[in-house]
Amino acid sequence: EPEVTQTPSHQVTQMGQEVILRCVPISNHLYFYWYRQILGQKVEFLVSFYNNEISEKSEIFDDQFSVERPDGSNFTLKIRSTKLEDSAMYFCASRGRGFGNQPQHFGDGTRLSIL
Amino acid sequence: DQQVKQNSPSLSVQEGRISILNCDYTNSMFDYFLWYKKYPAEGPTFLISISSIKDKNEDGRFTVFLNKSAKHLSLHIVPSQPGDSAVYFCAASGIAAGKSTFGDGTTLTVKP
Repeated sequence: EPEVTQTPSHQVTQMGQEVILRCVPISNHLYFYWYRQILGQKVEFLVSFYNNEISEKSEIFDDQFSVERPDGSNFTLKIRSTKLEDSAMYFCASRGRGFGNQPQHFGDGTRLSIL
Repeated sequence: DQQVKQNSPSLSVQEGRISILNCDYTNSMFDYFLWYKKYPAEGPTFLISISSIKDKNEDGRFTVFLNKSAKHLSLHIVPSQPGDSAVYFCAASGIAAGKSTFGDGTTLTVKP
């Protein structure tokens, strides 16, 4: 079964540095998402991406965050100047064509640790 | 404003018995509700969904019930198995393929 892959599985970065989290969604999917889960807390929506543009974003997704689908296969999340509170699991998800009942397929996440 | 709530952070049941996980929501505009299961060190995986026009959907051992007037849904697992031990997330979405709003999750432990 096709799956969403995320790299790296664990990223350790100094505060203030830029970090790029990478995702390869399922190949025929059209909708792409990033979520994060701070340790012990709920899964939080960050951003959704469709047709090469952001379709929706949360309050968390401020100017330090950006997303890109540079080559038609990868989907990246960039955090420009990391803060301690950015430490979390970041999940990428993708979804095929259809309505909101179509499930999102999640990767196994990247654990981001900011020192 | 937490639009999707799972008020029980944990649930423990004996193998073979029924597990009932609950979820409440506040936004009457949600059209679909989905349950995901998450094991440690893995991403959430889809389990079962229900449309807001239905009150029940069944898939094998898993049944989701929706009470729209109470803005409440529940996931029943019968019979529960030790492999069902995981964190279960309730999620809600609109009619379009947009974001899903997740609850906090309920950790289910099924004891052999």
